[in-house]
Amino acid sequence: NAGVTQTPKFQVLKTGQSMTLQCAQDMNHEYMSWYRQDPGMGLRLIHYSVGAGITDQGEVPNGYNVSRSTTEDFPLRLLSAAPSQTSVYFCASSYSQGPSEQYFGPGTRLTVT
Amino acid sequence: AQKVTQAQTEISVVEKEDVTLDCVYETRDTTYYLFWYKQPPSGELVFLIRRNSFDEQNEISGRYSWNFQKSTSSFNFTITASQVVDSAVYFCALSEGTGGFKTIFGAGTRLFVKA
Repeated sequence: NAGVTQTPKFQVLKTGQSMTLQCAQDMNHEYMSWYRQDPGMGLRLIHYSVGAGITDQGEVPNGYNVSRSTTEDFPLRLLSAAPSQTSVYFCASSYSQGPSEQYFGPGTRLTVT
Repeated sequence: AQKVTQAQTEISVVEKEDVTLDCVYETRDTTYYLFWYKQPPSGELVFLIRRNSFDEQNEISGRYSWNFQKSTSSFNFTITASQVVDSAVYFCALSEGTGGFKTIFGAGTRLFVKA
């Protein structure tokens, strides 16, 4: 099993550009989520999904969109990148909500200039 | 609303010292889950432990132990006889029933273990 994979590993964007961060898992997990990690602020939840076709907002959803058309994939879209979105982004999955530990991808380091 | 506070931003110890990382949480739910994750310098996040709100038994796993006290809303993590390989950022996290069990993390504690 590959676990949770994320692409790309690194990305530089100019302000106003859009892009999609890819996330896939091969563990048949129902629950997937996106976090951003900034110095001194830990991991903040952006969006999460409890299953295909169902998504919801986390703590910091503004400027990001998600969709979940399959169990395996959970892409994160930046609609119009801003310097404040410079961060490390982690995708995670778990067997179910709440009780289960999350498995994290390796992260995507995004810089917006 | 759920909240996790890790008041210690950075801790530095010498190898073989014991160290305790504090975690205080806030929740209005009676059913919730607490977690600890480790992020070594390589950057990946590794699950360490999960505790549910109905199980206040302390847990020991090798040099690691966890103390869960509902009376003080704390879930502290102790490393006994620390080693250089324990150097990492440690995150405490809370998942509660209301709001779909989304998981909220604390800001993390960076632990430096010097040889």
